[in-house]
Amino acid sequence: DVQLVESGGGLVQPGRSLRLSCAAFGFPSGDYAVTWVRQAPGKGLEWVGYIRSEAKGGTAEYGAPVKDRFSISRDDSKSVAYLHMSSLKIEDTGVYYCSIEEIWGQGTKVTVSS
Amino acid sequence: EIVLTQFPATLSLSPGERATLSCRATQSVSDNYIAWYQQKPGQSPRLLIYGASSRATGIPDRFSGSGSGTDFTLTVSRLEPEDFAMYYCQQYDRSQITFGQGTRLDIK
Repeated sequence: DVQLVESGGGLVQPGRSLRLSCAAFGFPSGDYAVTWVRQAPGKGLEWVGYIRSEAKGGTAEYGAPVKDRFSISRDDSKSVAYLHMSSLKIEDTGVYYCSIEEIWGQGTKVTVSS
Repeated sequence: EIVLTQFPATLSLSPGERATLSCRATQSVSDNYIAWYQQKPGQSPRLLIYGASSRATGIPDRFSGSGSGTDFTLTVSRLEPEDFAMYYCQQYDRSQITFGQGTRLDIK
């Protein structure tokens, strides 16, 4: 079955770090870019960033609100992508989704609070 | 950064009616790199349309996309009860991807 599964969310204090994972099942995820999108409570979708496939350089792009604090990496041997979040702010609270092409995960919830 | 504005913010219609949702970009979106997503409460977004007018896998043909340049439209020809949801447009023309703020499609 083709699916993406996010994990790693939880409650974290402002200023701390967290790493989210996005595991792909049922297809060769290494051939594709992986995108992260978040949604604050009651708000719309916000693009966080994406990482290109290794065949296209494996480089990443980030949205302005997270640039210099977040980074994306991938381990294609494990079919997993990561979102490394540092210096977390209260406004980073939300559900974080990963997606590849038209496949989306179920999301993982991140709450930044003291 | 390309800013996308969706209108109307809320659209109230009845099942069987036709829905027209609009998305306007602050700059021309080359190669029509516009996508439309549907999201229901508590669910992940679902890709409906990519490349401005191509339906994603398994999307019913009552959903259609059109437009070019800065103005894009999602049309639902005859609304089914399951179509009432939030809809977002997205541009992926540039390295900085952006979403519109969404249109809520409500049952009248």
